[in-house]
Amino acid sequence: ETGVTQTPRHLVMGMTNKKSLKCEQHLGHNAMYWYKQSAKKPLELMFVYSLEERVENNSVPSRFSPECPNSSHLFLHLHTLQPEDSALYLCASSPDIGAGGELFFGEGSRLTVL
Amino acid sequence: DAKTTQPTSMDCAEGRAANLPCNHSTISGNEYVYWYRQIHSQGPQYIIHGLKNNETNEMASLIITEDRKSSTLILPHATLRDTAVYYCIVVMYSGGGADGLTFGKGTHLIIQP
Repeated sequence: ETGVTQTPRHLVMGMTNKKSLKCEQHLGHNAMYWYKQSAKKPLELMFVYSLEERVENNSVPSRFSPECPNSSHLFLHLHTLQPEDSALYLCASSPDIGAGGELFFGEGSRLTVL
Repeated sequence: DAKTTQPTSMDCAEGRAANLPCNHSTISGNEYVYWYRQIHSQGPQYIIHGLKNNETNEMASLIITEDRKSSTLILPHATLRDTAVYYCIVVMYSGGGADGLTFGKGTHLIIQP
């Protein structure tokens, strides 16, 4: 139990569907992150939020839309995805950005796009 | 952040010490060495980090060479549950600005019964 909870753990969606991934942290952290891990590839950083403000977007396609309503919650809204977007999506949090490298990860949401 | 080089895979017998090497020859003076591991289909887990002194916690020990160009993560008594991909990451304490760890391919450690 890392204090970072992701739901759903598994999601199957069609290319025309709209779905959302949710992440919640109970650690009082100010920074939250979305990572993508495709099969047999390293983790890729997608988005970074600090105190609900997006501070980094690593050239992620617009079909992925993050939302951070408060410092404890982070969403990833998914719309018209492609089969190659199938991956494990990981959420993480840290006390602050620029404060070192100890991130706390959730268990991930396994997404399959048909 | 400095680049790291790790072996693709390693085997270790259960109950023995697992020694995982990492090269980071371009590390700068204000960069730390962090280790994470990722058990299959789970999120990465922080293990340990250090700057230039050796470090030990309940999970592992970290040995950093005097020139800081390489390090070794030591799991003193490996168990089957230690089978995972281990990532060595160099991180700068920037004191501000966006960041997020850059993961490489890591070392797949397989503990043999």
